[in-house]
Amino acid sequence: NAGVTQTPKFRVLKTGQSMTLLCAQDMNHEYMYWYRQDPGMGLRLIHYSVGEGTTAKGEVPDGYNVSRLKKQNFLLGLESAAPSQTSVYFCASSYSISSSYNEQFFGPGTRLTVL
Amino acid sequence: KQEVTQIPAALSVPEGENLVLNCSFTDSAIYNLQWFRQDPGKGLTSLLLIQSSQREQTSGRLNASLDKSSGRSTLYIAASQPGDSATYLCAVEGVGGSQGNLIFGKGTKLSVKP
Repeated sequence: NAGVTQTPKFRVLKTGQSMTLLCAQDMNHEYMYWYRQDPGMGLRLIHYSVGEGTTAKGEVPDGYNVSRLKKQNFLLGLESAAPSQTSVYFCASSYSISSSYNEQFFGPGTRLTVL
Repeated sequence: KQEVTQIPAALSVPEGENLVLNCSFTDSAIYNLQWFRQDPGKGLTSLLLIQSSQREQTSGRLNASLDKSSGRSTLYIAASQPGDSATYLCAVEGVGGSQGNLIFGKGTKLSVKP
């Protein structure tokens, strides 16, 4: 099993450009998450999904959109990139949610730089 | 608002030493606490998950404890090896807030010298 994979691994954008980050998991997990990791800030939740076709906002959702058209995929979109969105983005998935058994498994990350 | 603190921010030890990493959280209403390892430029690897009703979990040379009432967890690493060098993160999932939202500490960067 590949676990959680992310595409691309690196990307450089100019301010105002758009892009989509793809996350895929092969563990048949119901729940998926997008986090961003910034120096001195730790990891923060952007959006999450509790199942195919459903998404919800996390702690820092502004400037991002997400879609979960298939259970195994969770897409993170930036419509108009800003330098403040320079970060490392991690996708995660889990079998359950808001329970004692919510062990989250993370992908390798996407390093995004916005110039 | 839940806050997670990890002390120390960095730790350097000689190979073979037993060590303890600390994690504290401000709100004891949690579902679980999870410890992760992150190697430079890599993703997070889940090490241990402690359910809110548990007091400890063990995996190989790792032992994590949880004292929910005092808002503390420790990660004990026995007989440390250079391959243990990494940043260790703890995270809690609180009862309130966004579902599945893990609140992370900023990590302890561990260096084990040969």
